[in-house]
Amino acid sequence: DADVTQTPRNRITKTGKRIMLECSQTKGHDRMYWYRQDPGLGLRLIYYSFDVKDINKGEISDGYSVSRQAQAKFSLSLESAIPNQTALYFCATSDWTVTDTQYFGPGTRLTVL
Amino acid sequence: KNEVEQSPQNLTAQEGEFITINCSYSVGISALHWLQQHPGGGIVSLFMLSSGKKKHGRLIATINIQEKHSSLHITASHPRDSAVYICAVSTNAGGTSYGKLTFGQGTILTVHP
Repeated sequence: DADVTQTPRNRITKTGKRIMLECSQTKGHDRMYWYRQDPGLGLRLIYYSFDVKDINKGEISDGYSVSRQAQAKFSLSLESAIPNQTALYFCATSDWTVTDTQYFGPGTRLTVL
Repeated sequence: KNEVEQSPQNLTAQEGEFITINCSYSVGISALHWLQQHPGGGIVSLFMLSSGKKKHGRLIATINIQEKHSSLHITASHPRDSAVYICAVSTNAGGTSYGKLTFGQGTILTVHP
């Protein structure tokens, strides 16, 4: 089984809808991240969490919120989706006590119509 | 100017060729990461390095801290190496690796048989 899972893998929604993307990990890592990937722009950090009580904004947090429900779960919400949030979203984890290598989930392709 | 610049943006090679992808960065870093993204979208970490050189199979990564430059080499390239290769840096603050990554835009590599 994959160490970092994301649900759903694909989602098509309409402008104004609330959307939640979920991420779960079995690696036991404290650190979790949400990124979005757009063609030509590369990956950009939305939010990150260094432990359950620590949530931090990344470079493009406007329009998004997150919840760290447990060490293993980190959810990303779009409160009112807009078309320019159409992108590929990745969750990742890392264990800073070892190497800080990041382990990525398979991605969620979100389309906002 | 982006903090992390990769070159070339696109690279086409014939099977067996030696390939080099370059990454330059403009900030102080605690580590540099090379990632691979296959056409299916999944991202895997290839290397994390803060000095010198690392080798894994046909892949070699080097970093020159003074010149703020890293290279990823692929020897005896194969069509299965076709992917997007992404350089990312962990920024340095007080000597602590925060784990937050800043990404280059990626290099699209296509290896023809």
